[in-house]
Amino acid sequence: NAGVMQNPRHLVRRRGQEARLRCSPMKGHSHVYWYRQLPEEGLKFMVYLQKENIIDESGMPKERFSAEFPKEGPSILRIQQVVRGDSAAYFCASSPGSGSLYEQYFGPGTRLTVT
Amino acid sequence: AQSVTQPDIHITVSEGASLELRCNYSYGATPYLFWYVQSPGQGLQLLLKYFSGDTLVQGIKGFEAEFKRSQSSFNLRKPSVHWSDAAEYFCAVGLFSGGYNKLIFGAGTRLAVHP
Repeated sequence: NAGVMQNPRHLVRRRGQEARLRCSPMKGHSHVYWYRQLPEEGLKFMVYLQKENIIDESGMPKERFSAEFPKEGPSILRIQQVVRGDSAAYFCASSPGSGSLYEQYFGPGTRLTVT
Repeated sequence: AQSVTQPDIHITVSEGASLELRCNYSYGATPYLFWYVQSPGQGLQLLLKYFSGDTLVQGIKGFEAEFKRSQSSFNLRKPSVHWSDAAEYFCAVGLFSGGYNKLIFGAGTRLAVHP
């Protein structure tokens, strides 16, 4: 059973461009979380999605950031008009359920660099 | 507000020595507590978790952690460190509300192991 897949692993964008980060959850998992790790900081929650639904986006910046998890295909984190402050590692985690006992399995992350 | 503090940013130990990584949390209710390890360029791997019951929990790779409610702590220990334990370690508290678990991470402790 393959783990959580994220691509690309590294992404370089110029200021003003768009960044699309993909997350394929583990097989059978229909719950996805996105976290952002700024340099020298811990991971911070961004958004929690179930198939076709955004459940909690309280950690998402109000502008330029969006996320989706369609019925088919990976979850996408989209950052429009990137700025230098968006440079970070973005991790997704998937889970088979939403209950407290369900572990979140993390992907290897996408490291975004904005030049 | 809920928070997690890892007071030690960097720790260096000799191979074979014992290890204790500190974690303090601030949370109003009974916490769900986790320790994750992140190797360079990798995602996070769950070492152990505490939900309830026995306050001393055993994890993978020979790690254990003890929950002390009176001290709001959940310190990670290992009796004899191996060179392969060099990594970054994150403590997290799970905010379980609305039927899902949102993780709040500490800033991490980077462990170096001397031969």
